[in-house]
Amino acid sequence: AQKVTQAQTEISVVEKEDVTLDCVYETRDTTYYLFWYKQPPSGELVFLIRRNSFDEQNEISGRYSWNFQKSTSSFNFTITASQVVDSAVYFCALRSLVYGGGSNYKLTFGKGTLLTVNP
Amino acid sequence: DVKVTQSSRYLVKRTGEKVFLECVQDMDHENMFWYRQDPGLGLRLIYFSYDVKMKEKGDIPEGYSVSREKKERFSLILESASTNQTSMYLCASSSYKGRGDYGYTFGSGTRLTVV
Repeated sequence: AQKVTQAQTEISVVEKEDVTLDCVYETRDTTYYLFWYKQPPSGELVFLIRRNSFDEQNEISGRYSWNFQKSTSSFNFTITASQVVDSAVYFCALRSLVYGGGSNYKLTFGKGTLLTVNP
Repeated sequence: DVKVTQSSRYLVKRTGEKVFLECVQDMDHENMFWYRQDPGLGLRLIYFSYDVKMKEKGDIPEGYSVSREKKERFSLILESASTNQTSMYLCASSSYKGRGDYGYTFGSGTRLTVV
């Protein structure tokens, strides 16, 4: 069975602080995708990044960066110089790439981390 | 702009009513999903479909059914609504063709209140 754990339920920071959102996953599969999604107050989940299990290179996109460590089954997300617009719920998710018919296409989500950035 | 559209943003229904939540996607995606989102529980999969007329149970299918008669439309049905089905319902779609695989594309959600 697959599992994604986001241990931080809520985080509150002041604008311009750096913040890291933790994600730890469990899977028996050797190939998989990991994702981060953002859910602003409007409700629609927005895709942020996909990482496949055989590419451990860290990625940076503007103020966002992701640290994937297969050895510790973690895929952490850092926002540098946070802004009020970063306030949202952030979800980490996992999808197997091992062939298993239709059920391959299920995403397993963590419970989310509510980030509040105060001015 | 590609989209997943959920027919209602907010819905209030009475206990015992039959409720239909509609979801339409315009991306020709094979897979469609219904999740419910509750505080502290995250997103939980109710049902999904990977082809027309095909459906599979997710993690919490009890009290729900689904219908997929056309590729672009996936309906969630609450046969007899109960107050514990008050929740945010999210529809999503995805393609297994691999290119540009962003996991899912989500709709804006339907906030259902059962009174």
